[in-house]
Amino acid sequence: QVQLRESGPGLLKPSQTLSLTCTVSGGSIRGGTYFWYWIRQPAGRGLEWIGRVYNSGGTDYNPSLSSRVTISLVSSENQFSLKLNTVTATDTAVYYCARGDYYALFDSWGQGIQVTVSS
Amino acid sequence: SDVLTQPPSVSVAPGKTAKITCEEYKIGSRSVHWYQQKPGQAPVVVIHSDSDRPSGIPERFSGSNSGDTATLTISGVEAGDEADYYCLVWHTSDQLGVVFGGGTKLTVL
Repeated sequence: QVQLRESGPGLLKPSQTLSLTCTVSGGSIRGGTYFWYWIRQPAGRGLEWIGRVYNSGGTDYNPSLSSRVTISLVSSENQFSLKLNTVTATDTAVYYCARGDYYALFDSWGQGIQVTVSS
Repeated sequence: SDVLTQPPSVSVAPGKTAKITCEEYKIGSRSVHWYQQKPGQAPVVVIHSDSDRPSGIPERFSGSNSGDTATLTISGVEAGDEADYYCLVWHTSDQLGVVFGGGTKLTVL
């Protein structure tokens, strides 16, 4: 049973870069045909897809965030990462990492990490 | 979401049937997944690929998808079904990528 766990700073100031890591255990991030996803959810609001990375390192991003987002594999650590540049208060949310297939059928999620952007 | 439209809320009495819709032009030509999210928890898939039910999900949950509307149906609703429900579609042709519906809060009266 694969498990995912998000980690990173919980508080940022506006204009800083959000950097999160998802550590995968119970399976190799390079194995299989899985995609590794980042999804976020502002308090009291819906889910928003941020992007995904394939085990080859290829990526897809939400067009509304693509100019600020980088998702990459850290294979040596069995992790994948999220970087979101120039954050504002609207980036405040719970950030989830997840494993899924090409059609975004998710079978494993992290527990989520709260990230707050505030001056 | 401006693309996938869900009713913000649906209310149903215990034992009755709840229907949650997800509307988009020609959604019937796409594959739809449905996720259930309870407060403080990560979402869980309850229906995938329009109408397939993962192991462990009760038979009370079913899905359909045709034309401009996908529907999640929960028969014999129980108190434990109270949650937010999201539809999801992967848009391959118009570069939108993964799109979530806005979510529907199911309230069991």
